[in-house]
Amino acid sequence: GEDVEQSLFLSVREGDSSVINCTYTDSSSTYLYWYKQEPGAGLQLLTYIFSNMDMKQDQRLTVLLNKKDKHLSLRIADTQTGDSAIYFCAESDSSNTGKLIFGQGTTLQVKP
Amino acid sequence: GAVVSQHPSRVICKSGTSVKIECRSLDFQATTMFWYRQFPKKSLMLMATSNEGSKATYEQGVEKDKFLINHASLTLSTLTVTSAHPEDSSFYICSATFVGANQPQHFGDGTRLSIL
Repeated sequence: GEDVEQSLFLSVREGDSSVINCTYTDSSSTYLYWYKQEPGAGLQLLTYIFSNMDMKQDQRLTVLLNKKDKHLSLRIADTQTGDSAIYFCAESDSSNTGKLIFGQGTTLQVKP
Repeated sequence: GAVVSQHPSRVICKSGTSVKIECRSLDFQATTMFWYRQFPKKSLMLMATSNEGSKATYEQGVEKDKFLINHASLTLSTLTVTSAHPEDSSFYICSATFVGANQPQHFGDGTRLSIL
């Protein structure tokens, strides 16, 4: 079945770059997404990439997609303490119902 | 744009009470809304898919008589937890999208439900 995997924890120093990785199984996914969840809040859509793209950059965020390896990454440049949160990778479900398949979430800890 | 409002943000009530949670898309029409449950330090668990004007589709293991979902308009879906018990205590999150418009899911801020 469809599955999305992420590492559970990443710790970086303020000002460094953070790279959060994700692997997925469904090669027919049209879109892949990155969401951010701060404590006690819902999910905030950070960015998403269409499956025929290799890279998308939006200010401090860079998404890289390797379709051959089914690997997605999110790079946050100049990481700030406000970036501390849980980051979820998600792929669109192949059923065309709008469903998403989420990874387990990566907790990003930014140390001052 | 693409704002989803979820109310209430927090509910504390006694066992046996029914609790209704509202999810509204404020600036777009949502053909489909999703209801999730999230346990501490865990990922999202999809409970059901709610399509405007039709019955919700529940995921395996989710009791439809326990978690009543209504999606009466393109901007509002409600989840009612009936006869809630302490094991129903959790963080419930809704999301909304317009299927067919290549629109991502946009999430509400969640509802923390605590049953005493």
